[in-house]
Amino acid sequence: SQQGEEDPQALSIQEGENATMNCSYKTSINNLQWYRQNSGRGLVHLILIRSNEREKHSGRLRVTLDTSKKSSSLLITASRAADTASYFCATDAGNRDDKIIFGKGTRLHILP
Amino acid sequence: ETGVTQSPTHLIKTRGQQVTLRCSSQSGHNTVSWYQQALGQGPQFIFQYYREEENGRGNFPPRFSGLQFPNYSSELNVNALELDDSALYLCASSFGTVSYEQYFGPGTRLTVT
Repeated sequence: SQQGEEDPQALSIQEGENATMNCSYKTSINNLQWYRQNSGRGLVHLILIRSNEREKHSGRLRVTLDTSKKSSSLLITASRAADTASYFCATDAGNRDDKIIFGKGTRLHILP
Repeated sequence: ETGVTQSPTHLIKTRGQQVTLRCSSQSGHNTVSWYQQALGQGPQFIFQYYREEENGRGNFPPRFSGLQFPNYSSELNVNALELDDSALYLCASSFGTVSYEQYFGPGTRLTVT
């Protein structure tokens, strides 16, 4: 079963607009990560946020974490064509073991 | 580009056959995790190898097995292939077993006919 669920499943926006993707998870976590995947290739690690953090920035990326609601959001500002990709959140399984569990992803398409 | 490489890039096998996929980890990393990603889905954890020992396994049958070598490269073996094994197989390397930051290879696309 999957721990994280991204929303929406797919998103199309105009270049230059901001894109927001959400992730909800079921059990307590130590950290949450966001990854990007281009065209069915390998995943690229974007950002990690720990359970005691509420917000984190990296360039045009902003991630928030609300542990009370078991949710996270990824905001990409000033989107570019190169941002077209699938975005996945991944959570650890809390204290049970070390493996991480991915959601099904949000497919983001940036329109020219 | 990460320093993680996988071979082959693409592979077509017949149901019932066996396959071996290979992964070279990034320099300095001692842990390799393998994932199966079906079309339109997120990656599913298969197992992890740390210092040549299996360290955690997902919900995959025993016909999925692996190895890690002294140089920390790794193999994924799948016996008695089934049509549902068709997927992108990803390996990821990290330092240590806690997956704070994994570096993924480009994947091997396996098609079972």
